[in-house]
Amino acid sequence: QSVLTQPPSVSGAPGQRVTISCTGSSSNIGAGYDVHWYQQLPGTAPKLLIYGNSNRPSGVPDRFSGSKSGTSASLAITGLQAEDEADYYCQSYDSSLSARYVFGTGTKVTVL
Amino acid sequence: EVQLVESGGGLVQPGGSLRLSCAASGFTFSSYEMNWVRQAPGKGLEWVSYISSSGSTIYYADSVKGRFTISRDNAKNSLYLQMNSLRAEDTAVYYCARESDGSGSYLPYFDYWGQGTLVTVSS
Repeated sequence: QSVLTQPPSVSGAPGQRVTISCTGSSSNIGAGYDVHWYQQLPGTAPKLLIYGNSNRPSGVPDRFSGSKSGTSASLAITGLQAEDEADYYCQSYDSSLSARYVFGTGTKVTVL
Repeated sequence: EVQLVESGGGLVQPGGSLRLSCAASGFTFSSYEMNWVRQAPGKGLEWVSYISSSGSTIYYADSVKGRFTISRDNAKNSLYLQMNSLRAEDTAVYYCARESDGSGSYLPYFDYWGQGTLVTVSS
């Protein structure tokens, strides 16, 4: 099991706002380590969505935003669109583990 | 355009071996750290291994330590993963992923991913 916990699923109607949480602890997010987010469309490789907690790579719509506070981080999608239906993963580092990187458990976003 | 193309996956019996390759193009491969990340069927992402740009520093997940070996050939713009003593739980799509270049002083992230290659360990 991952040290970064995400809700298994979230859903929303087109145009709505949804948020995905990434809950960690004092040895990862709470220790100040950055959180990054990836989007994985069905049958495809993950794609970088947000880096450094709140920065969007070139080409990522501004409907996607990230934030971090305390031991948690969040990804928000505003103006939800059908093409946003995908799996989303957070990624960070945990000082109590030997792994270089850790991923969150993943969240499936369904557009109703 | 940055491209990462994995190959070498397939069906292998438990205890067997397989060597994955990742061909890189569109960037100066020798300047970037690289990683392997895997995803078991219907499951989440799991970081597997890291190699520095020169190949001098290597890390492994505990789940593969002692069985997998990461390497690179900068002259051939290629990344490799030698997988030995394979187990059923190693069944997954294996992605090679480029690590960010460190600008901005953020925790490294994976800015480009290959399309993945499927490894199935079964008798």
